[in-house]
Amino acid sequence: AQSVTQLDSHVSVSEGTPVLLRCNYSSSYSPSLFWYVQHPNKGLQLLLKYTSAATLVKGINGFEAEFKKSETSFHLTKPSAHMSDAAEYFCVVSEPLSGGSYIPTFGRGTSLIVHP
Amino acid sequence: EPEVTQTPSHQVTQMGQEVILRCVPISNHLYFYWYRQILGQKVEFLVSFYNNEISEKSEIFDDQFSVERPDGSNFTLKIRSTKLEDSAMYFCASSVSGRDRTLHFGNGTRLTVT
Repeated sequence: AQSVTQLDSHVSVSEGTPVLLRCNYSSSYSPSLFWYVQHPNKGLQLLLKYTSAATLVKGINGFEAEFKKSETSFHLTKPSAHMSDAAEYFCVVSEPLSGGSYIPTFGRGTSLIVHP
Repeated sequence: EPEVTQTPSHQVTQMGQEVILRCVPISNHLYFYWYRQILGQKVEFLVSFYNNEISEKSEIFDDQFSVERPDGSNFTLKIRSTKLEDSAMYFCASSVSGRDRTLHFGNGTRLTVT
């Protein structure tokens, strides 16, 4: 069975400082992992994904994430926060079910607050 | 870039009324999903649909809910008799295949039940 835990409900940073949003997952198989971003009153936008290729994944807007199987983690980072990064971030895990289908499962989300 | 489109963006309805939320997935995608997000809570899976039938559904997706792909382009979610607790943002998503598990989401429909 798959599950995903986002360790922080809120993360607050100053503009120009690094961002770290933490995600741990549980999966019986080799999962696919994703980060989505949701700006206020907007839909869900894919930031990046891991699908068993390179463990360090680069996404849009300067974000990247590293898949660490030994730690069952997929933390999202960015070297320097921008005010426009303020949003809700969701870590998502997806593994095949017994019938071959997939149901991507969302974490509870981390709200990123960026101070000037 | 192709997009998933959802209409309406906001729907207000009275308790007990039927609502239909509409989605147009990306044209070459084969897997379709509905998720919902109650205000301040996590994004929850409702149902997935493939080859003109439901492939998976959650316990939330009870007899009040149904999905349909009536014409090969639209993908609809119907709630037969809405309850106050159905108020949420409903997201439609599609993926190109089972192997590529990337979900492409629409902007959502905010359903308010009064």
